Amino acid sequence: EAQVTQNPRYLITVTGKKLTVTCSQNMNHEYMSWYRQDPGLGLRQIYYSMNVEVTDKGDVPEGYKVSRKEKRNFPLILESPSPNQTSLYFCASRTRTGGFGELFFGEGSRLTVL
Amino acid sequence: DAKTTQPTSMDCAEGRAANLPCNHSTISGNEYVYWYRQIHSQGPQYIIHGLKNNETNEMASLIITEDRKSSTLILPHATLRDTAVYYCIVRLANTGNQFYFGTGTSLTVIP
Repeated sequence: EAQVTQNPRYLITVTGKKLTVTCSQNMNHEYMSWYRQDPGLGLRQIYYSMNVEVTDKGDVPEGYKVSRKEKRNFPLILESPSPNQTSLYFCASRTRTGGFGELFFGEGSRLTVL
Repeated sequence: DAKTTQPTSMDCAEGRAANLPCNHSTISGNEYVYWYRQIHSQGPQYIIHGLKNNETNEMASLIITEDRKSSTLILPHATLRDTAVYYCIVRLANTGNQFYFGTGTSLTVIP
């Protein structure tokens, strides 16, 4: 089954404790992206990657890092989480060749930073 | 990519057609109109897309005006499970980076 898998789905952590949210897709998609969703603000892009070893900032990259060492994985790293990073996070992927660029989303990771 | 304007919220009676409007007056000639929906806090899900012609699939119909400055997503027989936030997005297919989701329309289907 084609899917985007995020882990963990739920996490409560404390300020300053480094964490990583993993994202993996099994569709051989070149493009992957991270979004955060906050009440009243919709979905905002954090980082994206057009292909392996190619990453770039989205609209709200501060406080986050990403890496794209393999095509299927695109982890989101919070080096020193702060309470304002409490949010619902989504990973998404799509092909860059063929089709019409439909985005496939993971189920989301709800992060609480105390 | 062009931006879109959608009503913040709408209600629809169960079993009736839900018509969700979207304005995209700055759309360019080769930009597509996409619709996604997000049920509760799940990941957004693709519904339908179109360029010029009206489109229909098993989930919905998409009506695009002749000048392409607005469109309407139609859920022909709304059910309680269609209660969700619906996002209208315009962008070039398979190019570029951003999908601008905005805040969408919160549709509530009423029993």
